Amino acid sequence: ETGVTQTPRHLVMGMTNKKSLKCEQHLGHNAMYWYKQSAKKPLELMFVYNFKEQTENNSVPSRFSPECPNSSHLFLHLHTLQPEDSALYLCASSPNPGDFYEQYFGPGTRLTVT
Amino acid sequence: KQEVTQIPAALSVPEGENLVLNCSFTDSAIYNLQWFRQDPGKGLTSLLLIQSSQREQTSGRLNASLDKSSGRSTLYIAASQPGDSATYLCAVRPGIIQGAQKLVFGQGTRLTINP
Repeated sequence: ETGVTQTPRHLVMGMTNKKSLKCEQHLGHNAMYWYKQSAKKPLELMFVYNFKEQTENNSVPSRFSPECPNSSHLFLHLHTLQPEDSALYLCASSPNPGDFYEQYFGPGTRLTVT
Repeated sequence: KQEVTQIPAALSVPEGENLVLNCSFTDSAIYNLQWFRQDPGKGLTSLLLIQSSQREQTSGRLNASLDKSSGRSTLYIAASQPGDSATYLCAVRPGIIQGAQKLVFGQGTRLTINP
């Protein structure tokens, strides 16, 4: 266990649905991240939050909407997704922005868009 | 733009063998390099982190080396065991202020250790 939890672990949704992914870290970290892992592609950073503020958006489509209400929680709100958005979505955290320590990853949410 | 390549994409070896996984990156200006392990359908577990000023790191049967000037890293696994079967990912942290938190990943090497 890395101290980063994600729910749900699996999600199937239609293209017209709205759903949210949740990430929680119990490590006292101040930076949190969303990554996307698609089949046959390297893991890609989507968003970075430092002290609850978004500091990086890696050209992610607006149908993905992140929210960070506090340093321990991170959400990814999903709406009007496409089948190509099916992937494993991983959340990570690290102690502080700009530090050189490891990022700790959650187990991921396996998303299938039908 | 930093790109990370891992070779081979898949590797299958008998139990007990020593093996080497390779990672190369195009821009040598990095803060650090990290090796991860990913089991099927699961998240990433950090194995080793090498800072740009270091040449290698060791943890148990694992040894990771870094040659920043040539843009290469290797992960050496000694006396492999079936429990080592997983996908191994290499990631670099770019050495630029903007995007310094961004890890750039390779596609991974899927390792199978046969009993």
